[in-house]
Amino acid sequence: DAKTTQPPSMDCAEGRAANLPCNHSTISGNEYVYWYRQIHSQGPQYIIHGLKNNETNEMASLIITEDRKSSTLILPHATLRDTAVYYCIVRVDDDYKLSFGAGTTVTVRA
Amino acid sequence: DSGVTQTPKHLITATGQRVTLRCSPRSGDLSVYWYQQSLDQGLQFLIQYYNGEERAKGNILERFSAQQFPDLHSELNLSSLELGDSALYFCASSTREGRTGNTIYFGEGSWLTVV
Repeated sequence: DAKTTQPPSMDCAEGRAANLPCNHSTISGNEYVYWYRQIHSQGPQYIIHGLKNNETNEMASLIITEDRKSSTLILPHATLRDTAVYYCIVRVDDDYKLSFGAGTTVTVRA
Repeated sequence: DSGVTQTPKHLITATGQRVTLRCSPRSGDLSVYWYQQSLDQGLQFLIQYYNGEERAKGNILERFSAQQFPDLHSELNLSSLELGDSALYFCASSTREGRTGNTIYFGEGSWLTVV
């Protein structure tokens, strides 16, 4: 799997959008970009994933650059409950494991 | 609720003992994954099973073993336990979803404390 690079930490004000960057310059054409988050000691929670196009669901939006070398996860209106470690992972489809890096620790402040 | 069920949620045992952690995947999921997360450590992939067969192996110790049964539930067996085995153990499951991707969903974990 291609490696990803994320900032170790970031702060965000409650109610504002949180933009979480991820670099994956060695991504292959068949690799998806997945985002998970882990709230302290809970199981990792799936957020969103995409291949080429931008994606949006009830939790977040995923913006993937045209060359697919980087992406941004957007939490449109951050709340205190969004405080967590966010992981950007690239993986091939076809039932392959996830490899977690250090992620970005996001702290939402009131 | 991800639909992945793990038992027990908490377990305290002594060094040298053996424990079994159980996982029920989401209904219809054929793949089961096991991960270990030690205190202040990242999530480490241990092993994956697909429809009863071992598919991939990560940094799993020889003292650890796993299996997936015909009803698709899985068990992770940890033996000759050491203090360093104290960790959160997560089970996850997935199924093929064709072209839309193959999302992996995690359970809430089993917290093992070895004393």
